[in-house]
Amino acid sequence: NAGVTQTPKFQVLKTGQSMTLQCAQDMNHEYMSWYRQDPGMGLRLIHYSVGAGITDQGEVPNGYNVSRSTTEDFPLRLLSAAPSQTSVYFCASSSGLRGEQYFGPGTRLTVT
Amino acid sequence: QQPVQSPQAVILREGEDAVINCSSSKALYSVHWYRQKHGEAPVFLMILLKGGEQKGHDKISASFNEKKQQSSLYLTASQLSYSGTYFCGTEIGYGNKLVFGAGTILRVKS
Repeated sequence: NAGVTQTPKFQVLKTGQSMTLQCAQDMNHEYMSWYRQDPGMGLRLIHYSVGAGITDQGEVPNGYNVSRSTTEDFPLRLLSAAPSQTSVYFCASSSGLRGEQYFGPGTRLTVT
Repeated sequence: QQPVQSPQAVILREGEDAVINCSSSKALYSVHWYRQKHGEAPVFLMILLKGGEQKGHDKISASFNEKKQQSSLYLTASQLSYSGTYFCGTEIGYGNKLVFGAGTILRVKS
C-alpha cells in the first residue's frame, strides 16, 4: 500500500495563478481532509469529506475549492493564488473522524 | 475554538518525564494526539473518546478529563526519538471536524 500520496512536493506560483494539489489514498478510507500548516499555528483544517460526493468547509476555506468524485481522490484547488497562501499543505485520510489519520508527505507551496 | 496547549516548548534530558496539556473552552467528544518531526508529516499517537475508550500505541499514556475539557499526554523515560512537535486535535461537537492546537515543541537532549 502506498498510503496517502500528494503531488507535487514543491510548487512556486505567481500571484493570481491557479493550481490543483493532488491527494490520493489506497486504504479505502471514507474520511479525507486538507490542512495547511504555518509556523506557530499548528494544523488548520481547510476542507474535509466524509465520503464520495460529500464535502464541507473547515476553519480556513476561503480561496480553496474541493471535490470528491471517488473514494480515492481528494484534490484541492487554489482559485487565484495569494502570498497569504504560502504554506505547507497536508492531506490526510482515516476510516472515520475518530480513526487514526494518515497524513501524506505534504506539498510546500510558495506564492510570490 | 482552537485548543490551548501547554507548555509551548520543553527541553528534557534522556530519561526524564514530561507532561503536555491540551485544554478547550468547549465540551469535547474526542481528543487526538499526533507527533511531527521536523520536515515530516504528523504521525498518530492516540485518540481518547468521551466515555473512556482509548485507541493508540501501547507505549503512550494519556488522560481525558471530560468535565474539565482537558487532556494530558504523559511521556515517561524520554528518549532522543521523542523529540518533535506534539499536537492535540479536539472534536468539538459530535461528528464535527478536528481543530488542532498550535503545538508543543519537545526536545530531548543526551
